[in-house]
Amino acid sequence: GQNIDQPTEMTATEGAIVQINCTYQTSGFNGLFWYQQHAGEAPTFLSYNVLDGLEEKGRFSSFLSRSKGYSYLLLKELQMKDSASYLCAPSDSNYQLIWGAGTKLIIKP
Amino acid sequence: GAVVSQHPSWVICKSGTSVKIECRSLDFQATTMFWYRQFPKQSLMLMATSNEGSKATYEQGVEKDKFLINHASLTLSTLTVTSAHPEDSSFYICSARVPGFSRDLETQYFGPGTRLLVL
Repeated sequence: GQNIDQPTEMTATEGAIVQINCTYQTSGFNGLFWYQQHAGEAPTFLSYNVLDGLEEKGRFSSFLSRSKGYSYLLLKELQMKDSASYLCAPSDSNYQLIWGAGTKLIIKP
Repeated sequence: GAVVSQHPSWVICKSGTSVKIECRSLDFQATTMFWYRQFPKQSLMLMATSNEGSKATYEQGVEKDKFLINHASLTLSTLTVTSAHPEDSSFYICSARVPGFSRDLETQYFGPGTRLLVL
């Protein structure tokens, strides 16, 4: 089957660094997306990895290891506005995104 | 980035009525649009994939006759919830894929969502 495993909730301090891990199993693989979803809002696109390695975009970085079925999202210099759910969504052989419940990140002052 | 709009953002209706939700791609042509539903504290659930000019492909368990999808142009897809009931109350979100817009050819950009409350 297809599934995604992410921590349900994480807490971090403003200004710190946090890493959100994701392991996945899919039927085929066409890359992995990370989305941010604030409470009551629609998801917004953060990053896309299709090759192994680290992709950096400002304060956010995303890493992928296809052989391990593993990805992480690294958030640096955390700000209060980063409090949100972070969704790891791999793309399967039909280019369908597989969605889990995401990780709720709580930032404390 | 690509901009997707949805209208209305909120709708409250009586049980038994039909509700139409519009999804528009504002600065690009979307050959494929997706309709999702999300209940509180749950993951996104794909309802259907909509391709311009052809019939939508519905996910297992989604009633085609209840959730009518029309993708008549490259910038507009509509979802009509027919004979809505309280259990249809949810957050409905559309997304559009932007082939060729960037190297991330399969990236989905989401509209802001529509909250439906059926009384």
